[in-house]
Amino acid sequence: QVQLVQSGAEVKKPGASVKVSCKASGYTFTNYHMHWVRQAPGQGLEWMGIINPRDGGTSFAQKFQGRVTMTRDTSTFTIYMELSSLRSEDTAVYYCTREESGTYYLQDWGPGTLVTVSS
Amino acid sequence: QSALTQFASVSGSPGQSITISCTGTSSDVGSYNHVSWYQHHPGEVPKVMIYEVSKRPSGVSNRFSGSKSGNTASLTISGVQAEDEGDYYCCSYTTSNTYVFGSGTKVTVL
Repeated sequence: QVQLVQSGAEVKKPGASVKVSCKASGYTFTNYHMHWVRQAPGQGLEWMGIINPRDGGTSFAQKFQGRVTMTRDTSTFTIYMELSSLRSEDTAVYYCTREESGTYYLQDWGPGTLVTVSS
Repeated sequence: QSALTQFASVSGSPGQSITISCTGTSSDVGSYNHVSWYQHHPGEVPKVMIYEVSKRPSGVSNRFSGSKSGNTASLTISGVQAEDEGDYYCCSYTTSNTYVFGSGTKVTVL
């Protein structure tokens, strides 16, 4: 069965970086784009960006341009999302979520990773 | 890219129909049929209810339906039930090859 297993909760200081992983299993890794979506406390869902595991191509929301990096390791079927220059407003649950390439919707979601930014 | 506009809350009695709207622009909702809807219960992960404006994934109740007119997409829940309570978000692909979520609507069943 399809599984998206995310790394554990993180606590970071303002200005630091965080790298969250999402290990996929149960499907052909390169046939599905991976998106990252976050939800801050009391706020709505926010789309951050997408990576194509086949070629590593990425696209990011303008808000995160220059501050987010998404990479993949095809040998371990793992996607990484790194967010830098963290501020308190980045405190949120970060989800990886897959889209069958070309279907334009988020089919399955990881359980989420809580990132807390606090001094 | 600003969030798509949704009313903050909508409510209905069991058995009634409710409609949630999602207003975007000609750069997102108005440009493509790549609009999807997600149900999010607190403590759970979001679940897709509708994709490509009006298509229902396998396993989703046929009480959920979607439509679009111009820059506004809509999700209708027919015969709303207590289990339908939760937050609902629309999401659209954009002309910038990105995606944008709506601001979210809290559905309450009275």
